[in-house]
Amino acid sequence: AQSVTQLGSHVSVSEGALVLLRCNYSSSVPPYLFWYVQYPNQGLQLLLKYTTGATLVKGINGFEAEFKKSETSFHLTKPSAHMSDAAEYFCAVIRSGGSYIPTFGRGTSLIVHP
Amino acid sequence: EAGVTQFPSHSVIEKGQTVTLRCDPISGHDNLYWYRRVMGKEIKFLLHFVKESKQDESGMPNNRFLAERTGGTYSTLKVQPAELEDSGVYFCASSPGQGSLQETQYFGPGTRLLVL
Repeated sequence: AQSVTQLGSHVSVSEGALVLLRCNYSSSVPPYLFWYVQYPNQGLQLLLKYTTGATLVKGINGFEAEFKKSETSFHLTKPSAHMSDAAEYFCAVIRSGGSYIPTFGRGTSLIVHP
Repeated sequence: EAGVTQFPSHSVIEKGQTVTLRCDPISGHDNLYWYRRVMGKEIKFLLHFVKESKQDESGMPNNRFLAERTGGTYSTLKVQPAELEDSGVYFCASSPGQGSLQETQYFGPGTRLLVL
């Protein structure tokens, strides 16, 4: 069975600072990895995903994530935070060869200070 | 194009009562999923419809939960009788086609259920 660990239920940054949201996974087979974002009163929206190929994946709104197999990580980064990035972020994993149902982490709330 | 909609947005009921949640997927999407997030925990899969058929209901917690998707359009999730541990946010998502890895699931805003 696969699982996802998101370190830190809350991350606080200043506007313009680097955003780093951590995600580690466990999976017995090569995983497919996702980041979703949920803005207040909205549904989850796909930010980016890694399936195969290039390990550095670029998503919407300037976010990117790098799949590091040796570290079993898929951390989400953005060079410069905007106030509009304040939201909850979810990392998810799908086990290759299995059903296409994601296993989610507990989520990380990103707080952006002016 | 309208997104996935869910009704109600919030529901507060007493233990033992019945609640029915509704999800309207994006028009034309054959795949419909239900998920639940208990406060502070992971979003967990409940079940997956392909059109009107239950493809996977392995995540349904017990027989107090009944999901239907008559006609393959909207879906309802009934909890009867509700227990305290059923409180949480219930998300619905839909996707077109074969439900494959390449497809994006589009999520609704969720229904926040509080059982007192």
